[in-house]
Amino acid sequence: QKEVEQNSGPLSVPEGAIASLNCTYSDRGSQSFFWYRQYSGKSPELIMFIYSNGDKEDGRFTAQLNKASQYVSLLIRDSQPSDSATYLCAAKTSYDKVIFGPGTSLSVIP
Amino acid sequence: DAGVIQSPRHEVTEMGQEVTLRCKPISGHNSLFWYRQTMMRGLELLIYFNNNVPIDDSGMPEDRFSAKMPNASFSTLKIQPSEPRDSAVYFCASSYPILRTSGIYNEQFFGPGTRLTVL
Repeated sequence: QKEVEQNSGPLSVPEGAIASLNCTYSDRGSQSFFWYRQYSGKSPELIMFIYSNGDKEDGRFTAQLNKASQYVSLLIRDSQPSDSATYLCAAKTSYDKVIFGPGTSLSVIP
Repeated sequence: DAGVIQSPRHEVTEMGQEVTLRCKPISGHNSLFWYRQTMMRGLELLIYFNNNVPIDDSGMPEDRFSAKMPNASFSTLKIQPSEPRDSAVYFCASSYPILRTSGIYNEQFFGPGTRLTVL
């Protein structure tokens, strides 16, 4: 079992819709979680981090964390074509290493 | 700040040759990470340094790979000898600790990457 898992996609949503990206992790001791966005041919960039159960909102982005279920999600409201990218979920494990998931490819259709 | 700088941006070499990738972290960052990204394996952490000291090299695939950080502003990743299966994008990232109420976390800033092709 991989330590951080994501659906590889591609996930396609129409412009203006909500995109929902999901991630699960295996290390129950993980404390901090990150969402990175990676455009094709570019490097990952941090867009959200979360460490408490519940929701964290930043503009059109909402990160959700449920430690009991070992589940992290990212919601993108009012999706735009410029949101089309691969989204990487990462977890900082109990042994202090950040592990990345394989990424979910998102395509927002105009 | 110029961000994390990596060179070269592209490298094409033949099997058996030595390859050296270079990284200049963001000034003031005390942690440096080397990653490898492929379609098959995703983004893998190879090694990371804290205050120029290697902390975890468990991700280094084999003895053909070595990394050094002689000072706070420079690091190298060397592959000798290179093999076709080493073809990938290699990212360098640097970070600094940010104190939050829940503890300390590090935001990693990635360089543009080096696309390595071994023929």
